[in-house]
Amino acid sequence: DAKTTQPPSMDCAEGRAANLPCNHSTISGNEYVYWYRQIHSQGPQYIIHGLKNNETNEMASLIITEDRKSSTLILPHATLRDTAVYYCIVRGPSGGYQKVTFGIGTKLQVIP
Amino acid sequence: GAVVSQHPSRVICKSGTSVKIECRSLDFQATTMFWYRQFPKQSLMLMATSNEGSKATYEQGVEKDKFLINHASLTLSTLTVTSAHPEDSSFYICSASEGRGLVETQYFGPGTRLLVL
Repeated sequence: DAKTTQPPSMDCAEGRAANLPCNHSTISGNEYVYWYRQIHSQGPQYIIHGLKNNETNEMASLIITEDRKSSTLILPHATLRDTAVYYCIVRGPSGGYQKVTFGIGTKLQVIP
Repeated sequence: GAVVSQHPSRVICKSGTSVKIECRSLDFQATTMFWYRQFPKQSLMLMATSNEGSKATYEQGVEKDKFLINHASLTLSTLTVTSAHPEDSSFYICSASEGRGLVETQYFGPGTRLLVL
């Protein structure tokens, strides 16, 4: 799987949009970008994933650059409950053994 | 999204005893499940990949005789920490893969916090 680079920490004011960047310059053509988050003392929670088109669901939006070398996770209206460590992961499509390797992620602190 | 459960959520045991942790996919079948370990203020570390009906694949440095994995059905994988010691105290998390079409997504359990006295 391609390696990802994320800033170690970010702050965001409550109610504002949180934009979390991720660099994945070695991504392959068939690799997807996945985002998870881990709230303290809980298991990681799946947020969203995409291949090359922008994606949106009830939790967040994922913007992937045209060259696919970077992406941004957008939480449109951050709340205090969004305080968590956010992980950007690149991995291939389905097909049996597909382990996920976690980096250090971005610790997002939503401030009242 | 798909739901993965773990049991127990928290366990305290004496040094030298064995502890079994269950991981279940509640609303889907998972041919592949993964076991992770997380120490305080660190990221998740993959321990092993559990495949239904076959032996688990362990990551380098993980003792297969100490961390026994059984994936007896498409909805259940178990991790047994044998002869637990205080250094095995950690947060153990499982995940299960659900495939929809061409894309497979991993969903994680809530984790099991193990404290070995």
